Amino acid sequence: QKEVEQNSGPLSVPEGAIASLNCTYSDRGSQSFFWYRQYSGKSPELIMSIYSNGDKEDGRFTAQLNKASQYVSLLIRDSQPSDSATYLCAPAREGYQKVTFGTGTKLQVIP
Amino acid sequence: EAGVAQSPRYKIIEKRQSVAFWCNPISGHATLYWYQQILGQGPKLLIQFQNNGVVDDSQLPKDRFSAERLKGVDSTLKIQPAKLEDSAVYLCASSRRDRGKYEQYFGPGTRLTVT
Repeated sequence: QKEVEQNSGPLSVPEGAIASLNCTYSDRGSQSFFWYRQYSGKSPELIMSIYSNGDKEDGRFTAQLNKASQYVSLLIRDSQPSDSATYLCAPAREGYQKVTFGTGTKLQVIP
Repeated sequence: EAGVAQSPRYKIIEKRQSVAFWCNPISGHATLYWYQQILGQGPKLLIQFQNNGVVDDSQLPKDRFSAERLKGVDSTLKIQPAKLEDSAVYLCASSRRDRGKYEQYFGPGTRLTVT
């Protein structure tokens, strides 16, 4: 079992739709959860952090966390072509914050 | 606030040659990370420093890779000798403890091609 599992995609959604990106993780010691966006040829960019169960909203982005199910998701509302990128899920343990990255889900927003 | 700086941005070497990458973290960030990202995969942690000390180097191929962080600021990652499978992007990231939480910020990366 991989430590962090994401569907590699591509996930194709029409412009204006909601994109839903999912991630499961195996380490029950994970306490912090991060979503990074990575454009082709660029480095990862932090877009969301979530630390407790429930939802966290930031603009068009909503992160959802369920530690009991070891599941975290990212919703992107009103998807734009500029959202087309690979989204990396990254759970982290407490302490010195060792982060483990998933392989990412490639999102394509079709105009 | 300036971001994480890395150099060089690109490097092409032949196998068995050596190469070094440099990273300057965000000012005040005590934790520094080096990752290797192979095309189509997520970043893989090579080594994590907390100030001058190594926190985790369990995935660093120590027979060929080395890293140091002198004075708790800049860091250098070296590969000697390089193999074809070392072709990847090498990412440096840094973080600091803020209200008990850490958030990592990445530099632009160094794309290494080994021929």
